[in-house]
Amino acid sequence: AQKITQTQPGMFVQEKEAVTLDCTYDTSDQSYGLFWYKQPSSGEMIFLIYQGSYDEQNATEGRYSLNFQKARKSANLVISASQLGDSAMYFCAMRESTGANSKLTFGKGITLSVRP
Amino acid sequence: GAGVSQSPSNKVTEKGKDVELRCDPISGHTALYWYRQSLGQGLEFLIYFQGNSAPDKSGLPSDRFSAERTGGSVSTLTIQRTQQEDSAVYLCASSRRGRTIYFGEGSWLTVV
Repeated sequence: AQKITQTQPGMFVQEKEAVTLDCTYDTSDQSYGLFWYKQPSSGEMIFLIYQGSYDEQNATEGRYSLNFQKARKSANLVISASQLGDSAMYFCAMRESTGANSKLTFGKGITLSVRP
Repeated sequence: GAGVSQSPSNKVTEKGKDVELRCDPISGHTALYWYRQSLGQGLEFLIYFQGNSAPDKSGLPSDRFSAERTGGSVSTLTIQRTQQEDSAVYLCASSRRGRTIYFGEGSWLTVV
């Protein structure tokens, strides 16, 4: 089974509107972390937001918020007030804490296009 | 600079040659990761270093790939006898407490 699932096809959003990018995960660990990264066409991986499995509140970072639903194992990224510069590939990732295995496992990514 | 630094940024090599890719993590970061991303694909885990612990090498695709980290800082990823399927972007990342993991800009490798 895939650890991180991102199944949305290419997403489109109108400038200044909000958009939700979906991510579901699979783990048997109680302690884990969830990450979202943005990858523009330049190729760099830009860290956006982090949610720990024991964090009581949903993470927020500026225009980014993470809708964390632990029971459903989902960690959707919400981008408010979309900007043209938000057009990029977005990756969800999970870091499990099982023994020495603390690698990040990435989903396949979602392409977001912001329309003017 | 303050970020993760990778070199070279671009490398074109002939099939069968060895290549070395370097990663200089953010100062004070004890964890260091190597990932590979082929064109239009997601990120494939290669290897993970954490402090003085034995590295997690479970993602290395073959024995042609190796990595070391000297003095708990700089890391070198070595690919021996390169093949065309090794062409990809090799991304390095570092972390201190695990809640934020920062990536470098990557080393773009092309094997011709």
